[in-house]
Amino acid sequence: QKEVEQNSGPLSVPEGAIASLNCTYSDRGSQSFFWYRQYSGKSPELIMSIYSNGDKEDGRFTAQLNKASQYVSLLIRDSQPSDSATYLCAVHRQISSGSARQLTFGSGTQLTVLP
Amino acid sequence: NAGVTQTPKFQVLKTGQSMTLQCAQDMNHNSMYWYRQDPGMGLRLIYYSASEGTTDKGEVPNGYNVSRLNKREFSLRLESAAPSQTSVYFCASSEQGQASSYNEQFFGPGTRLTVL
Repeated sequence: QKEVEQNSGPLSVPEGAIASLNCTYSDRGSQSFFWYRQYSGKSPELIMSIYSNGDKEDGRFTAQLNKASQYVSLLIRDSQPSDSATYLCAVHRQISSGSARQLTFGSGTQLTVLP
Repeated sequence: NAGVTQTPKFQVLKTGQSMTLQCAQDMNHNSMYWYRQDPGMGLRLIYYSASEGTTDKGEVPNGYNVSRLNKREFSLRLESAAPSQTSVYFCASSEQGQASSYNEQFFGPGTRLTVL
């Protein structure tokens, strides 16, 4: 099992719909969770961070965290063609005993919003 | 305020050549990181520096060395490049150290490296 797992997609949604991106993680001790957006040929850009169970909303984006189920998701409301990108889930976790916590990334979900 | 900058943007090397990738940040962040990104593999941590004067190995350190020159600059060196090191390299920085849970990292534009 990968430490951070995402459905690679591609995920296609029509313009104006809700896009739902999912991520599961294996380390129960993980405390911090992030969503990055990466346009083709560009660097990852942080769009959401979440640290507590429940929902966190920022504009059209909502991050959801369920630590008991080891699950974090990102909802994009009113999806726009400009949201077409790869979305990376990242989890702050301890790689090995005695090591400092590090960010571990999933392989990303490619989202296409169709006009 | 440029954020995180990287040089060069593109580089082609022959097997066995060496090179240094440069990274600088102007956000007064304590921690800096080097990642590589390969298709289908996501981002993998090569080395990181939790603070000026310290460096530690990440997930895939073999074949690389790093130097934290000062608080602003963190370089990555390939001593003898191999085709397996063909990748996109990203530098990142964060205000708080690795031990903190609040580790929001900000990325540079990347260096596309091809080793022939």
